Amino acid sequence: AAGVIQSPRHLIKEKRETATLKCYPIPRHDTVYWYQQGPGQDPQFLISFYEKMQSDKGSIPDRFSAQQFSDYHSELNMSSLELGDSALYFCASSTDSSNTEAFFGQGTRLTVV
Amino acid sequence: GDSVTQMEGPVTLSEEAFLTINCTYTATGYPSLFWYVQYPGEGLQLLLKATKADDKGSNKGFEATYRKETTSFHLEKGSVQVSDSAVYFCALSLATALIFGKGTTLSVSS
Repeated sequence: AAGVIQSPRHLIKEKRETATLKCYPIPRHDTVYWYQQGPGQDPQFLISFYEKMQSDKGSIPDRFSAQQFSDYHSELNMSSLELGDSALYFCASSTDSSNTEAFFGQGTRLTVV
Repeated sequence: GDSVTQMEGPVTLSEEAFLTINCTYTATGYPSLFWYVQYPGEGLQLLLKATKADDKGSNKGFEATYRKETTSFHLEKGSVQVSDSAVYFCALSLATALIFGKGTTLSVSS
């Protein structure tokens, strides 16, 4: 069965650089969520989209932005990277914004050096 | 605000031992409750869920019952295996994004 695809799986960036993470939801899923999981931490909600519109916003820094495209894939753009941005970034998708069952991708591990 | 509290780890058990991981929640409404499992280097996998009071979620020998009166959703398994070693996250959702607990690391030895 198709799963949530995230790319790249690993990314190394220097401080003050930018990074773009991509997420391809399960086919026919119209809702995408982004989470950030620091080392040894629980995942923290960043932002979500439903039908290409932002539906909810969590603890996403102003340096980050995201969008969902017409094919429902989503991109998380991160600028002016800081060492503290090093984390595992998860994307999840579901069939609607009720989030009764969100399916997670394997994540992108971002390391800022 | 809404939150999830789960028991601190790590939990270390021998194979075939009984497992309980406690989870309690605070929510302004009636959330859906979930247990997710994260194996080393992997993403989060939904283990089980319950969407209303007294519902029991079950999967792969794991069970959890949504207890509204005690605001709890404790995870149990009667006989753990080495392959169950992972981090377990309790989470809630109030029709928006998931709110996770801090996670409990389970290590099972043979």
